[in-house]
Amino acid sequence: NAGVMQNPRHLVRRRGQEARLRCSPMKGHSHVYWYRQLPEEGLKFMVYLQKENIIDESGMPKERFSAEFPKEGPSILRIQQVVRGDSAAYFCASSAGVGQETQYFGPGTRLLVL
Amino acid sequence: QQQVKQSPQSLIVQKGGISIINCAYENTAFDYFPWYQQFPGKGPALLIAIRPDVSEKKEGRFTISFNKSAKQFSLHIMDSQPGDSATYFCAASRPGAQKLVFGQGTRLTINP
Repeated sequence: NAGVMQNPRHLVRRRGQEARLRCSPMKGHSHVYWYRQLPEEGLKFMVYLQKENIIDESGMPKERFSAEFPKEGPSILRIQQVVRGDSAAYFCASSAGVGQETQYFGPGTRLLVL
Repeated sequence: QQQVKQSPQSLIVQKGGISIINCAYENTAFDYFPWYQQFPGKGPALLIAIRPDVSEKKEGRFTISFNKSAKQFSLHIMDSQPGDSATYFCAASRPGAQKLVFGQGTRLTINP
């Protein structure tokens, strides 16, 4: 049973470009979460999605960041017009659903903005 | 109210010793408390988790102790091994909220 998959593992962008991060949840999981980890810090919640719905986006910056989890395909975290402060590791996690709290994390995407 | 405070920031333990990492929370609505282990360049992996209706949970060499009245919980690693060297995160979540609130992390080094 494949775990949570994320790609790319490393992404380099120049200031002003767009970054698109992908996450495929574990088989059978319909809940996806995105977290951001700055160097030497803990993980900070960004957004929680179910298929075709954003459930909680309280941790998402109001501008430039968006997330989706379409009916078919992976969840996408999109960062428009990246700035150097966006450089971080972005982790996706998935769970089986309400009442199943265990979240399984992917390997992360390390974004570097030059 | 949403914070989880973790200490120490870093910890060095001799092989065979006991590693202890502590966390404190403020929000009494939290009802799920997992610990994650993270190796460099990898994603966090769930180690062990506890709910407030028990005071202790043990899985192999890993034990969570939970003090509901003090709003504190801790991870104990018995017979610590060099392979346990990693960063450990405590976390908490509320019923139905799903999102995890993480502590700042503890970098554990086990000296051989």
